[in-house]
Amino acid sequence: EVQLLESGGGLVQPGGSLRLSCAASGFSFSSYVMSWVRQAPGRGLEWVSDISGSGGSTYYADSVKGRFTFSRDNSKNTLYLQMNSLRAEDTAVYYCAKVSGGSYYFPFDYWGQGTLVTVSS
Amino acid sequence: EIVLTQSPATLSLSPGERATLSCRASQSASSYLAWYQQKPGQAPRLLIYDASNRATGIPARFSGSGSGTDFTLTISSLEPEDFAVYYCQQRSNWPITFGQGTRLEIK
Repeated sequence: EVQLLESGGGLVQPGGSLRLSCAASGFSFSSYVMSWVRQAPGRGLEWVSDISGSGGSTYYADSVKGRFTFSRDNSKNTLYLQMNSLRAEDTAVYYCAKVSGGSYYFPFDYWGQGTLVTVSS
Repeated sequence: EIVLTQSPATLSLSPGERATLSCRASQSASSYLAWYQQKPGQAPRLLIYDASNRATGIPARFSGSGSGTDFTLTISSLEPEDFAVYYCQQRSNWPITFGQGTRLEIK
């Protein structure tokens, strides 16, 4: 059974940093593109970042480029999202999601339960 | 950036009725278009991928169609558990984008 379990969310002041983790199990982790998607309270879904199976390629939304870093440790089946220079508009539930195939064109077939990040003074 | 525009924003129907949801892309998304269902407090669930293929375990009352810039999600006969928010999403080009969602509510 595929499981994705996010952690690391919480309350942080504007300008602060936070690192999210996503522990994956139940599939061949290093074979799949993985992503982060966020959802601000009462709003729609926003893609944040993709990472290749090897971790060698990453892609970011313009809204987070230069502030967020997406990485993975395939030996630990874990994803990381390092978030720096946080802003109020980064407040959201952050989901990690598995892309259903080895290519970037595939949809998200599994999602974690999400972790809430609140940026406020 | 491919902008996805969903219509209507809200759809009010009764159980047993047919629902038709639209997703229009600002430029071609080829067939790399997916539909998700989200209920309150839950993560999204994949319904349809590649515009017209049902994901594993999705009932046959859900169907998708379209290609290029115009896509449709159809629910043939609404069940009580189908009332939720539906999002379309493209992975044809970065940035990956979602539509703003259609809320399907009970009339």
